[in-house]
Amino acid sequence: DGGITQSPKYLFRKEGQNVTLSCEQNLNHDAMYWYRQDPGQGLRLIYYSQIVNDFQKGDIAEGYSVSREKKESFPLTVTSAQKNPTAFYLCASSRGFLLEQYFGPGTRLTVT
Amino acid sequence: DAKTTQPPSMDCAEGRAANLPCNHSTISGNEYVYWYRQIHSQGPQYIIHGLKNNETNEMASLIITEDRKSSTLILPHATLRDTAVYYCIVRNRDDKIIFGKGTRLHILP
Repeated sequence: DGGITQSPKYLFRKEGQNVTLSCEQNLNHDAMYWYRQDPGQGLRLIYYSQIVNDFQKGDIAEGYSVSREKKESFPLTVTSAQKNPTAFYLCASSRGFLLEQYFGPGTRLTVT
Repeated sequence: DAKTTQPPSMDCAEGRAANLPCNHSTISGNEYVYWYRQIHSQGPQYIIHGLKNNETNEMASLIITEDRKSSTLILPHATLRDTAVYYCIVRNRDDKIIFGKGTRLHILP
């Protein structure tokens, strides 16, 4: 079955540690995105990538980094520089940039 | 930049049509209106999108006013599984999609 997967579903880290969230898709989509969602809030765009080996900052990129070495994979690293990393992180992909986006199930990150 | 305004919450009786409004008064001529929904603790799900004509698919209908300043998403026969947050989104000139807070739809049994 085609789809987009994120792992793990829940992640716990100590403050000061970097953590990498996985996102994989087998939909053959060119574009991939990372969003952050805080309780009761909408989604905010962190980074997006239109093609392999290329990515752009979204609205809240500070404290995050990404890579796009393969079409299927778009991992997000939450660095120790991110001041409020605890949130629900959602990855999405689309056939073309800004066409219908398909979302993964999300990773809930808790940093203490 | 185009922005959307949606009511924070709405109720709808099960089996009735749910009509969710969205205001996008600053939308540009080449910007599309997209609708997504998010069931609690899951990733958002694409519903439908349109430019100027009304659109219908197996999930919903999208009615866009002639001046394109507002639209309505219609779920024809709402069920309890339609309880979710519904997001109305337009593409802005910086090529980024902005998710607002959406409308929390409660389907009442």
